[in-house]
Amino acid sequence: GIQVEQSPPDLILQEGANSTLRCNFSDSVNNLQWFHQNPWGQLINLFYIPSGTKQNGRLSATTVATERYSLLYISSSQTTDSGVYFCAVATDGSSNTGKLIFGQGTTLQVKP
Amino acid sequence: DAGVTQSPTHLIKTRGQHVTLRCSPISGHKSVSWYQQVLGQGPQFIFQYYEKEERGRGNFPDRFSARQFPNYSSELNVNALLLGDSALYLCASSRRSGESYEQYFGPGTRLTVT
Repeated sequence: GIQVEQSPPDLILQEGANSTLRCNFSDSVNNLQWFHQNPWGQLINLFYIPSGTKQNGRLSATTVATERYSLLYISSSQTTDSGVYFCAVATDGSSNTGKLIFGQGTTLQVKP
Repeated sequence: DAGVTQSPTHLIKTRGQHVTLRCSPISGHKSVSWYQQVLGQGPQFIFQYYEKEERGRGNFPDRFSARQFPNYSSELNVNALLLGDSALYLCASSRRSGESYEQYFGPGTRLTVT
């Protein structure tokens, strides 16, 4: 099955710094989502981005589907950005369930 | 609009017992998926239901079952609980089944098996 790899696994930043999180996937995908998991376990939708570039405030994401990777940019980081960031992809083949396959996540800690 | 809701928030069970977890999707969403997240890992797909029919199943034993009701809410049942079933159980909803539809997650049910 498809493999999803995220890097780096851990990241520590000072407040105000910028960062880039990467997601590589081993096969073509038709859905890619980025999530932020807060300390209580809730997965917050950041982007639905199977291809192209999107921006939402201090966050932006780019997916280059032909090269099988996606990047999540966080600018001017804040302590509230701390948590685990997951990339998840869907490639259904014949099942068409849309089941998401998650990477292992990047744990981000932003220090004041 | 309310997001995906799940109940209960936390649950403690003993080995061998069974458990029922509940999920209500976002209004207008007809597809519900269940995921299991053990500590330190990404969520793993368990089931997807669409229009009350099972559309997909992950690599989980038959002790895990689910169903979807006419109002599109869903239940996940786990029988003969094992210590290894301790995890965060997440429910996600989407408008329809299929990879073209964004999935939205509930807050999860944290299950502890002792």
